[in-house]
Amino acid sequence: NAGVTQTPKFQVLKTGQSMTLQCAQDMNHEYMSWYRQDPGMGLRLIHYSVGAGITDQGEVPNGYNVSRSTTEDFPLRLLSAAPSQTSVYFCASSPGQGAAGYTFGSGTRLTVV
Amino acid sequence: AQSVSQHNHHVILSEAASLELGCNYSYGGTVNLFWYVQYPGQHLQLLLKYFSGDPLVKGIKGFEAEFIKSKFSFNLRKPSVQWSDTAEYFCAVIEYGNKLVFGAGTILRVKS
Repeated sequence: NAGVTQTPKFQVLKTGQSMTLQCAQDMNHEYMSWYRQDPGMGLRLIHYSVGAGITDQGEVPNGYNVSRSTTEDFPLRLLSAAPSQTSVYFCASSPGQGAAGYTFGSGTRLTVV
Repeated sequence: AQSVSQHNHHVILSEAASLELGCNYSYGGTVNLFWYVQYPGQHLQLLLKYFSGDPLVKGIKGFEAEFIKSKFSFNLRKPSVQWSDTAEYFCAVIEYGNKLVFGAGTILRVKS
């Protein structure tokens, strides 16, 4: 199994550009989440989904959109990139039982100039 | 909402020293607790988890953690660290809705 796959691994954007970070999992997990990681702040939840067609905001949702049309895919869209969105982004999935925890992708390092 | 506090942001140890990293969560009830590790340039990997039963949990690479309900704590320990343990360590708790909430992380540097 591939687990959680994120693309691209690295990206440089200009301020105002838009892009989509891709995330796919092949474990048939219902729950998927997007986090951003910034030094000294841990991982902060951007958006999450409890199943296909259902998404909700996390702690830092502004400037990001998500959709969940299938169980496998959970793309994160930056509508108009800003330097404050320079970060490392992680996608994660979980089967839904709390004790199972989450499996993480390898991350996308995004720089907005 | 749950929050997680990790007491030290940076820890520097010599090889063979003992390690204890503190973690406290904000409120009780039934909790699922995790420690993740992130080696330089890599993604997060699960070290260990607690969901019920024995409060002393053993994980990979010789790590263990103790859940103390009365103190809302889940401290990570290792009797003797190695240079290869250099990494960032994150404590996390599952809150309502199966959302995973992280602490700010502790960067461990082990001197060889």
